[in-house]
Amino acid sequence: ETGVTQSPTHLIKTRGQQVTLRCSSQSGHNTVSWYQQALGQGPQFIFQYYREEENGRGNFPPRFSGLQFPNYSSELNVNALELDDSALYLCASSLIPSRQPGELFFGEGSRLTVL
Amino acid sequence: AQSVTQLGSHVSVSEGALVLLRCNYSSSVPPYLFWYVQYPNQGLQLLLKYTTGATLVKGINGFEAEFKKSETSFHLTKPSAHMSDAAEYFCASGRGGYQKVTFGTGTKLQVIP
Repeated sequence: ETGVTQSPTHLIKTRGQQVTLRCSSQSGHNTVSWYQQALGQGPQFIFQYYREEENGRGNFPPRFSGLQFPNYSSELNVNALELDDSALYLCASSLIPSRQPGELFFGEGSRLTVL
Repeated sequence: AQSVTQLGSHVSVSEGALVLLRCNYSSSVPPYLFWYVQYPNQGLQLLLKYTTGATLVKGINGFEAEFKKSETSFHLTKPSAHMSDAAEYFCASGRGGYQKVTFGTGTKLQVIP
């Protein structure tokens, strides 16, 4: 069983730039959620993708956008980067419908630093 | 809206001592509740979950948690701490279907030899 993989693991950008983060979901999972974890904080829900469509969104501006592909992999795009976007971005896959509601399987994250 | 509150951002225990990490949830309808663990520079791993049924749930690595509706609590315990338990622990709540999970702010557990 292949776990959730994310790339890149670390990256540095400057304010105003754009970034794309990638996630491959766990085998058999059809749903991908993205979370932002600022230093010393709990993960904050950005959005979720199911059947290639956004299936819920947290309190993040439109410059945070995403995609899900037919193979259930996903991308998180952030435009016009701000210093406060520096964080660990976590991807989590799950299955809808599921016998294990709310159980998420996380990747190790992509650490973004904005200078 | 559902939310969880973790009491204590840092907890220190001696090796072999009881571990107690506190979590209270806020919801008019009991949600699904979870404890996740995060080791340094890693993603989150599910320790245990409460959905329905038995209120005392057992998880991996000897951890357990008890759902108490009257106290709106879901505290995490382990009878005897091990050095390898040093990590950050997150309480979380969620619902089925939509599968959005809301996390608390985390508690860092330090285990002292």
